[in-house]
Amino acid sequence: DAGITQSPRHKVTETGTPVTLRCHQTENHRYMYWYRQDPGHGLRLIHYSYGVKDTDKGEVSDGYSVSRSKTEDFLLTLESATSSQTSVYFCAIRGAGTNQETQYFGPGTRLLVL
Amino acid sequence: GDSVTQMEGPVTLSEEAFLTINCTYTATGYPSLFWYVQYPGEGLQLLLKATKADDKGSNKGFEATYRKETTSFHLEKGSVQVSDSAVYFCALNTGGFKTIFGAGTRLFVKA
Repeated sequence: DAGITQSPRHKVTETGTPVTLRCHQTENHRYMYWYRQDPGHGLRLIHYSYGVKDTDKGEVSDGYSVSRSKTEDFLLTLESATSSQTSVYFCAIRGAGTNQETQYFGPGTRLLVL
Repeated sequence: GDSVTQMEGPVTLSEEAFLTINCTYTATGYPSLFWYVQYPGEGLQLLLKATKADDKGSNKGFEATYRKETTSFHLEKGSVQVSDSAVYFCALNTGGFKTIFGAGTRLFVKA
């Protein structure tokens, strides 16, 4: 199994508060991703990173920011949480070598915004 | 743009029934195709993949064949078990750093 952890695993917060989710990998892989999973929408890409301090937007980036100061850590911040950001958030890394088209996922963070 | 369409669920089957989950894709270029599985409370994990036309991916009794002429990659299993209950995602990658996922199909298998 790819060494990907996410923290926290569950969080309840209130509308308007900032929230930061953490993804940590032990694989030293270059590419990391944040997705959200919602019923009927499957997985939607929020942001991704292709190296330390190198990030770019995905298809649903509004209201989210990311940072990557170390290869192993990729942080997702909800600047001012809204109820529409209630979701399950998954971090993923891109595989290497012959597996570079494969993505490896963390266990997810379930976020509830009240 | 590239996209993946898979059959809506949920799909409910009895144990030992035959499973088919349909998946079709639209892509420029020559994508690799994937099926990922998500068990309850977990992240997605790769189930099988095929990288070129007519390839068959297989794993844990599941199979899918890359059909370029019909732009399809249907998932099949001859005899499902209760433990196969999960959400299944079809996906494609055209060799870049982004993977396009379908909406997912939930499978329930009854004992």
